[in-house]
Amino acid sequence: DSGVTQTPKHLITATGQRVTLRCSPRSGDLSVYWYQQSLDQGLQFLIHYYNGEERAKGNILERFSAQQFPDLHSELNLSSLELGDSALYFCASSGGPALYNEQFFGPGTRLTVL
Amino acid sequence: GENVEQHPSTLSVQEGDSAVIKCTYSDSASNYFPWYKQELGKRPQLIIDIRSNVGEKKDQRIAVTLNKTAKHFSLHITETQPEDSAVYFCAAGRVNTGFQKLVFGTGTRLLVSP
Repeated sequence: DSGVTQTPKHLITATGQRVTLRCSPRSGDLSVYWYQQSLDQGLQFLIHYYNGEERAKGNILERFSAQQFPDLHSELNLSSLELGDSALYFCASSGGPALYNEQFFGPGTRLTVL
Repeated sequence: GENVEQHPSTLSVQEGDSAVIKCTYSDSASNYFPWYKQELGKRPQLIIDIRSNVGEKKDQRIAVTLNKTAKHFSLHITETQPEDSAVYFCAAGRVNTGFQKLVFGTGTRLLVSP
């Protein structure tokens, strides 16, 4: 157990819908990262938040948005869902301002869009 | 944009053999190179990492080498065991205070046969 929690574990929805994925980082970690893992691809970096602020963006679609709240938990919002959005979504967290902090991954949320 | 290529995509070895996985990266500003292991149905976990100011690092049966000039880094596993069977991801990225952006390779499925 990495100490990072994600809810829900599974999510099944229809095209065009909107969903929210939630992530709670390890106690004391200030950074939260979101990744998308599809069957035929590796881990695609979506976005990084540090202490409530957006710090880096990857190939995140405009239909996707995220935020980190004052208690440091984070939410990833996916809207106008398409079949191709079906994937495993991981969040990861890492520690304070020091460099080279290991990213600890949560168990993931499996999203299925029908 | 940044890109990380990883080879091979699958690797089958006999128990006790060595395994080598190779990655190349495109962003010359990358300064951090972690390797993650993902067992079936589980979360990725860091197994070893190397920083840009180091050429080689070893941890028991695992070693990583970095050639910054060629923008190439490799994972070496010696005396492989069946429990080493998993998907291995390399990553390259920039880290700074409160900032970390990793680009992952597409993964190598390692199968170690008894």
